[in-house]
Amino acid sequence: AQSVTQLDSHVSVSEGTPVLLRCNYSSSYSPSLFWYVQHPNKGLQLLLKYTSAATLVKGINGFEAEFKKSETSFHLTKPSAHMSDAAEYFCVVSGIGNEKLTFGTGTRLTIIP
Amino acid sequence: NAGVTQTPKFRILKIGQSMTLQCTQDMNHNYMYWYRQDPGMGLKLIYYSVGAGITDKGEVPNGYNVSRSTTEDFPLRLELAAPSQTSVYFCASTYTDTQYFGPGTRLTVL
Repeated sequence: AQSVTQLDSHVSVSEGTPVLLRCNYSSSYSPSLFWYVQHPNKGLQLLLKYTSAATLVKGINGFEAEFKKSETSFHLTKPSAHMSDAAEYFCVVSGIGNEKLTFGTGTRLTIIP
Repeated sequence: NAGVTQTPKFRILKIGQSMTLQCTQDMNHNYMYWYRQDPGMGLKLIYYSVGAGITDKGEVPNGYNVSRSTTEDFPLRLELAAPSQTSVYFCASTYTDTQYFGPGTRLTVL
């Protein structure tokens, strides 16, 4: 079985400052990991995914994440926050065969003007 | 491509009523899923399907039923609505390891 823990339910940063959203995972095999973003009243959109290739993954809108097996972490970062980044972010781990996803409880990112 | 579409966008039901949430994808994906999202929570898997005629339970299937007669459509049925089913429902389909989500249906049961 797999699980994922998002360490912060809410993160606030000022516009133009770095963003760090933390995610730890648990899996009995080599998982695929994802970050999804959900803007208010919208569906989920894939930001980036890790599937056992390069450990540093680049996604859309300047986001990236680093897979660290020794720390079982997959933290999401962005060098400079933009107002349009305000949203809910979900860290997700896949099951065997990538048939099922397990979602974290989400981190709400607020950008302060 | 329209991607994954869901209808209706909003619905209010009375306790005990029934309804079907529609989900259609035009990407010819075999895998399709239904999730519910409660406030402050992640998504919970209700049912999923690996192809036409094949469905299986997810984490929270009680109170729901599904069918998959075609590759495109994966409707979710609520037979006897209960207040605990008040939630936002998302349908998704998968290609390789990426899930594509519909815009959601916001359901309130009063």
